[in-house]
Amino acid sequence: KAGVTQTPRYLIKTRGQQVTLSCSPISGHRSVSWYQQTPGQGLQFLFEYFSETQRNKGNFPGRFSGRQFSNSRSEMNVSTLELGDSALYLCASSQGGADTQYFGPGTRLTVL
Amino acid sequence: TQLLEQSPQFLSIQEGENLTVYCNSSSVFSSLQWYRQEPGEGPVLLVTVVTGGEVKKLKRLTFQFGDARKDSSLHITAAQPGDTGLYLCAGVTGGGNKLTFGTGTQLKVEL
Repeated sequence: KAGVTQTPRYLIKTRGQQVTLSCSPISGHRSVSWYQQTPGQGLQFLFEYFSETQRNKGNFPGRFSGRQFSNSRSEMNVSTLELGDSALYLCASSQGGADTQYFGPGTRLTVL
Repeated sequence: TQLLEQSPQFLSIQEGENLTVYCNSSSVFSSLQWYRQEPGEGPVLLVTVVTGGEVKKLKRLTFQFGDARKDSSLHITAAQPGDTGLYLCAGVTGGGNKLTFGTGTQLKVEL
């Protein structure tokens, strides 16, 4: 069974631009969660999608948004990028309940 | 805001030594998970502890959940270079899959 895949793996953007990251969950998994990892703040929860609906949300500004498609693939979007948005963005999938989450390798975003 | 503090933040030891990593919070969690993350990869789940006072063993790793379900510890016996990585605890609350991660412990085991 293939693991969680994230594309792209690396991305360089400039301030003010927007970016879209993609996550393909493990086949059969219906929940996708997104996390931001930085050296200063550690791993922080962004949001979770289940059956195309946002089920949980972290404390991030509205510039961070996401969506989930009917095949459970998810995208997250960051608009008006700031230098502080430079981070490793991780997605994790699970079957749906409070069960094991499997993380992808992440997308390394650098904002210049 | 729920916070999970881990200590120590960094640990560099020789192969064969024992070590303990602590994860403390003022909040109660329904369960607590431990992950290990290696460079260029996402965190990988090691264990989930659910019951206060619970102890779980995974080969040379021993995990304990505090009686009040606010803290946890990870003990590694006879550390090996393959144990090198970032160890993260994560608390689970409520429904869904929202994890509150600890501050992390970077472990380096040298020959």
